[in-house]
Amino acid sequence: GNSVTQMEGPVTLSEEAFLTINCTYTATGYPSLFWYVQYPGEGLQLLLKATKADDKGSNKGFEATYRKETTSFHLEKGSVQVSDSAVYFCALSDYEGGKLIFGQGTELSVKP
Amino acid sequence: EAQVTQNPRYLITVTGKKLTVTCSQNMNHEYMSWYRQDPGLGLRQIYYSMNVEVTDKGDVPEGYKVSRKEKRNFPLILESPSPNQTSLYFCASSSMSGLAGGRYEQYFGPGTRLTVT
Repeated sequence: GNSVTQMEGPVTLSEEAFLTINCTYTATGYPSLFWYVQYPGEGLQLLLKATKADDKGSNKGFEATYRKETTSFHLEKGSVQVSDSAVYFCALSDYEGGKLIFGQGTELSVKP
Repeated sequence: EAQVTQNPRYLITVTGKKLTVTCSQNMNHEYMSWYRQDPGLGLRQIYYSMNVEVTDKGDVPEGYKVSRKEKRNFPLILESPSPNQTSLYFCASSSMSGLAGGRYEQYFGPGTRLTVT
C-alpha cells in the first residue's frame, strides 16, 4: 500500500540555519503531496502542497519539490526562526477513502 | 470564518464509560474524516464519510463508531473506551469536487486530547 517515510527527529537547529527534512513516499498512481505543520498545542495546518511531478510548493519561506524520479518531497527553508519550532508532517493523498497518509512527523526545535 | 470545530478539546474518562467527540464544519464539505495521532505513528484514519448517511472504515476503526446525519456534523463515538484509545484525535473535512484527483487538501480541527484511565 501507499506509505510515507520521514527522517527521524527531533531536529535541533540554531536560528538562521538551513533546514532540510527528508520525505520519501511509495504510491501507485499520481498522488498529491503535502506538508502540514503542527505548532505546540495546536491542530494541523497545511504548509504547502504539490499536485504533480516537478511542481514546487512554497509558503512562509518553506519549499518542497515533487520529485517523481526519486519519489521524494523534501522540505527546505533557507533560514529558520525560533517561531518555526513545530512538528512537521509529510503526507500524500490516497485515492482509497480520500484519506491522507502521513509520515510519523519530525519535531523541529530552533534555538536563538 | 471557514473552520472545523471539535468538542471537547480535552477529556479524561474511565474505561467503559461511553463518550462522544463532536465535529462540525461550516464549509459545506461533503467529505469528513477522523484521525488519531500517536507518537511515532503519525496520523491514522479511523473512519470517513463521503456524504450524509455514507460512512466507511479507515485503517484503525476498531472500538469506534461514527454517524453522518447532517452534512456539517460527524461525531466520533466510543461505546466502551479502553486505555489504548488514549490519543489525540483530529477531525478533517474536504470538498469532494477535487478529492478524486487528490488535489484538495483537508482542513483539520484543533484536536481533542483523550485520556482513558
